[in-house]
Amino acid sequence: AQKVTQAQTEISVVEKEDVTLDCVYETRDTTYYLFWYKQPPSGELVFLIRRNSFDEQNEISGRYSWNFQKSTSSFNFTITASQVVDSAVYFCALQSNNAGNMLTFGGGTRLMVKP
Amino acid sequence: EADIYQTPRYLVIGTGKKITLECSQTMGHDKMYWYQQDPGMELHLIHYSYGVNSTEKGDLSSESTVSRIRTEHFPLTLESARPSHTSQYLCASSGILGTSGRFQETQYFGPGTRLLVL
Repeated sequence: AQKVTQAQTEISVVEKEDVTLDCVYETRDTTYYLFWYKQPPSGELVFLIRRNSFDEQNEISGRYSWNFQKSTSSFNFTITASQVVDSAVYFCALQSNNAGNMLTFGGGTRLMVKP
Repeated sequence: EADIYQTPRYLVIGTGKKITLECSQTMGHDKMYWYQQDPGMELHLIHYSYGVNSTEKGDLSSESTVSRIRTEHFPLTLESARPSHTSQYLCASSGILGTSGRFQETQYFGPGTRLLVL
């Protein structure tokens, strides 16, 4: 069985602070993919990143960075110098062949960035 | 630009009415999905399709039905809406590199339909 845990249900920061959203996953597969999606108040899910299990290199995209560590089964997401527009619910998700390539989502972390 | 479309965006309807939520994608993706979600809460897969004439039920039992007659179109129907159906419905698609040039198997989501059944 697959599982994704986002232990932080809600985080509140002040603008310009850095914030890290945690994601821990469980799978028995050796080949899998990890995702982060952003859901702003308007409701749509916006794809942010996809990483495969063979690539542990950290990735940076502007103010966003991702830290993938297989040893701890974690795929954490950091926003540097947060902005009010970053306020949203963020979902981590796991996909593997043995689960029919379906996404297993975490429960989401609601991030509130205050001015 | 939007590659996956959902209509209507908002719908308020009375109990017992039949409704169809539309979902279309222009990415040439073979797989499509319907999720149900209370705002900001966990997503639950209710239906999916691997291609034309293929439909499967997801993890969460739902009274809705779906059809896949065309690759780009995956409508969801509720024969008799009830207040318990009040939720947000999100459609997604994924597939091999199509006209969009996007990753295989990454699910891309539509803007969602917020349904309120009175």
